Amino acid sequence: SQQGEEDPQALSIQEGENATMNCSYKTSINNLQWYRQNSGRGLVHLILIRSNEREKHSGRLRVTLDTSKKSSSLLITASRAADTASYFCATDYGSSNTGKLIFGQGTTLQVKP
Amino acid sequence: DARVTQTPRHKVTEMGQEVTMRCQPILGHNTVFWYRQTMMQGLELLAYFRNRAPLDDSGMPKDRFSAEMPDATLATLKIQPSEPRDSAVYFCASGDSGAWGETQYFGPGTRLLVL
Repeated sequence: SQQGEEDPQALSIQEGENATMNCSYKTSINNLQWYRQNSGRGLVHLILIRSNEREKHSGRLRVTLDTSKKSSSLLITASRAADTASYFCATDYGSSNTGKLIFGQGTTLQVKP
Repeated sequence: DARVTQTPRHKVTEMGQEVTMRCQPILGHNTVFWYRQTMMQGLELLAYFRNRAPLDDSGMPKDRFSAEMPDATLATLKIQPSEPRDSAVYFCASGDSGAWGETQYFGPGTRLLVL
């Protein structure tokens, strides 16, 4: 099935450092999205990048998309303890545009103060 | 600040009992999704609706699960009879359609434990 696979599964860094998470997927997409989930909470949408975009910024977040490699990366710059969470990439179904998203297994990020 | 609401937030029940989870999507959103999250399986899509019509429930065990949208402000997910393997966090999300796809807004989840 079409699914985003995140890498690494877990990441531990010091506050102030940058965190990079990667996502690979299998088939064509309309868009790729990143979500954050704090422990015990629902997912929160962070950013959507369209298939015709290569890079997008939102505050301390930078997302890249390489459709030729079917991969995306999420960079969090100058990380804070509050960034500690799980991060998921999600892909849609390309041409069908059903609105359905398939979520990966997520990257668990720990930012140590 | 519009949010998706879910009730109950926590539910402990015994095997064989009926469980009903409710979701109020964000007003104006026309797509509603039900997910289940476990450590082993991650986030699984169970069912989703667009304009209150069920579009896909292929992720849902049909013999015991049912999902409905009685009106635009309420979606329900029912398990009857419940089993211990149904223990999970169940999320509802509503979708905001755009030209390039949906952004989904998640509720806080219902944490279900079936004993």
